[in-house]
Amino acid sequence: KAGVTQTPRYLIKTRGQQVTLSCSPISGHRSVSWYQQTPGQGLQFLFEYFSETQRNKGNFPGRFSGRQFSNSRSEMNVSTLELGDSALYLCASSPGGQDYGYTFGSGTRLTVV
Amino acid sequence: DQQVKQNSPSLSVQEGRISILNCDYTNSMFDYFLWYKKYPAEGPTFLISISSIKDKNEDGRFTVFLNKSAKHLSLHIVPSQPGDSAVYFCAAIVKTSYDKVIFGPGTSLSVIP
Repeated sequence: KAGVTQTPRYLIKTRGQQVTLSCSPISGHRSVSWYQQTPGQGLQFLFEYFSETQRNKGNFPGRFSGRQFSNSRSEMNVSTLELGDSALYLCASSPGGQDYGYTFGSGTRLTVV
Repeated sequence: DQQVKQNSPSLSVQEGRISILNCDYTNSMFDYFLWYKKYPAEGPTFLISISSIKDKNEDGRFTVFLNKSAKHLSLHIVPSQPGDSAVYFCAAIVKTSYDKVIFGPGTSLSVIP
């Protein structure tokens, strides 16, 4: 079965711009989580969606937002980009419920200049 | 406040020897733990997990040990192989918090041929 697909793979934006990242989960998976990875910080949890509802949110400013569509695809938006937002953004999907079989996509490498 | 800690940023091991990666956590509510492995430019891949009701789980060359009283877990890889060279993330979940997975900062393992 197809894995988790994240688009685009690479992105370069300038400060102040906004960006939208996309994640298509494994077919049948209803939970999608987003993480930010920066050197030395590991994976920082951004938010998690299940059946179009945000169930959990990490400690990120309101510039970071997301949504999930009825087909479980998810988008993450970052507004008013800052240099510090440069990172690898990873999406993970799971069936949800008590199944913790998380599968990660390859990520979107965002560079803010 | 880092709830999941991996105090060794890097580790080097000779091929064929044992690799031991350590992880400490502070939140006693965590009741499920996972290890992920990540190669550069790829998303993390699931390795092995353990429930808090167990103290050991084994899968081939990988064994995870959990010491709840010490809030400590470790991943043992025996024997280590050059293909094991990657960044290893320890992660923890509070099952009642749905799919909010807290990751540690990672340990970079180098297996020297």
